[in-house]
Amino acid sequence: EAGVAQSPRYKIIEKRQSVAFWCNPISGHATLYWYQQILGQGPKLLIQFQNNGVVDDSQLPKDRFSAERLKGVDSTLKIQPAKLEDSAVYLCASSLGLDFSYNEQFFGPGTRLTVL
Amino acid sequence: GENVEQHPSTLSVQEGDSAVIKCTYSDSASNYFPWYKQELGKGPQLIIDIRSNVGEKKDQRIAVTLNKTAKHFSLHITETQPEDSAVYFCAASDVNYGGSQGNLIFGKGTKLSVKP
Repeated sequence: EAGVAQSPRYKIIEKRQSVAFWCNPISGHATLYWYQQILGQGPKLLIQFQNNGVVDDSQLPKDRFSAERLKGVDSTLKIQPAKLEDSAVYLCASSLGLDFSYNEQFFGPGTRLTVL
Repeated sequence: GENVEQHPSTLSVQEGDSAVIKCTYSDSASNYFPWYKQELGKGPQLIIDIRSNVGEKKDQRIAVTLNKTAKHFSLHITETQPEDSAVYFCAASDVNYGGSQGNLIFGKGTKLSVKP
């Protein structure tokens, strides 16, 4: 079974530029998550989708970050404009999304973003 | 909201020794506690999890214990091997009354080094 795919794996941009990350979840997984992992810390949830609807985006800096999940499959996360503090690894994860159960989250390899 | 503290931040052991990582959580509503292993350049991978109706769970060399009263849980790795070297994260979550899984709140991680 193919895992969660992410691209690009690495990205270097200058501050105030824009950047986009792509995620393809495991086939059949209804729930998709985007996390931000700053060096030396655990992942922090940015946004959670259930199919193509947003479940939780309370920690997404909406003035500069946006995300969409068209057709309930692939997802893109965009940052515009980027700041130095956005340098981090952006992880995508997916899970089956079954109600009333504990759904294992499967993580992709992440995109390492460096903002200069 | 939930807060997860993890100790120690680094742990070095000799091959064959045991390793113990401890986490505490603040929200008594949390009822799901997974542990993830993250190798360099990869996304976190679930290695074991425990739910609040269980006090201990074991899978070969890995075990997790949960003390709901004290709000802490621990990861135990016995007979450590060099390939166990990685960063380990604990996390806490809940299944809310609506039936959907709550957000995973991660600890800051423990870098485990197993010396041959």
